[in-house]
Amino acid sequence: GDSVTQMEGPVTLSEEAFLTINCTYTATGYPSLFWYVQYPGEGLQLLLKATKADDKGSNKGFEATYRKETTSFHLEKGSVQVSDSAVYFCALSDRNDMRFGAGTRLTVKP
Amino acid sequence: KAGVTQTPRYLIKTRGQQVTLSCSPISGHRSVSWYQQTPGQGLQFLFEYFSETQRNKGNFPGRFSGRQFSNSRSEMNVSTLELGDSALYLCASSLARDKPYEQYFGPGTRLTVT
Repeated sequence: GDSVTQMEGPVTLSEEAFLTINCTYTATGYPSLFWYVQYPGEGLQLLLKATKADDKGSNKGFEATYRKETTSFHLEKGSVQVSDSAVYFCALSDRNDMRFGAGTRLTVKP
Repeated sequence: KAGVTQTPRYLIKTRGQQVTLSCSPISGHRSVSWYQQTPGQGLQFLFEYFSETQRNKGNFPGRFSGRQFSNSRSEMNVSTLELGDSALYLCASSLARDKPYEQYFGPGTRLTVT
């Protein structure tokens, strides 16, 4: 079945460092891809999405490009802030349900 | 527009009891999904309701059940609670089941079973 694999954390970075969180997927169809973020004590918030190959999703300085040839949707940010500390989930949806990765905890230190 | 609301936010129950959690979706959203989040298993899909019908179900025992009302509000019930049911239960709503399947999550209900 469809699945998502994302890099294991935790990831610890200094403020203004470059962030990459890897995400690869397995799907039989043509899924939509998402990144969600979960701050402590809260539910998941949609960060960005891409619905077809070569689409780039972006929001709040974060970007991810839907790469069908490598079945990847890596999350990047050029300069992280302390406020970006959270758990990030990669997810895919193909008609019937959503599949989430295990989540990657990011801690940004001042 | 109000977001997804879940009640209660925190709950403590004893093994063997049953519990009902409630979710109110964003106004106009007809699809409601439930997830269980634990440190060990991550986010696991429980079930999805669309227009009062269960359209999809995850791999959970029959102790876990749900329903959706005509106003799209949803409840999930867990009977004969076990210690392993301790988790954050998240509800998510979406406008429809067409692509992109963009879901909006509530803050969750933290269930502790003792």
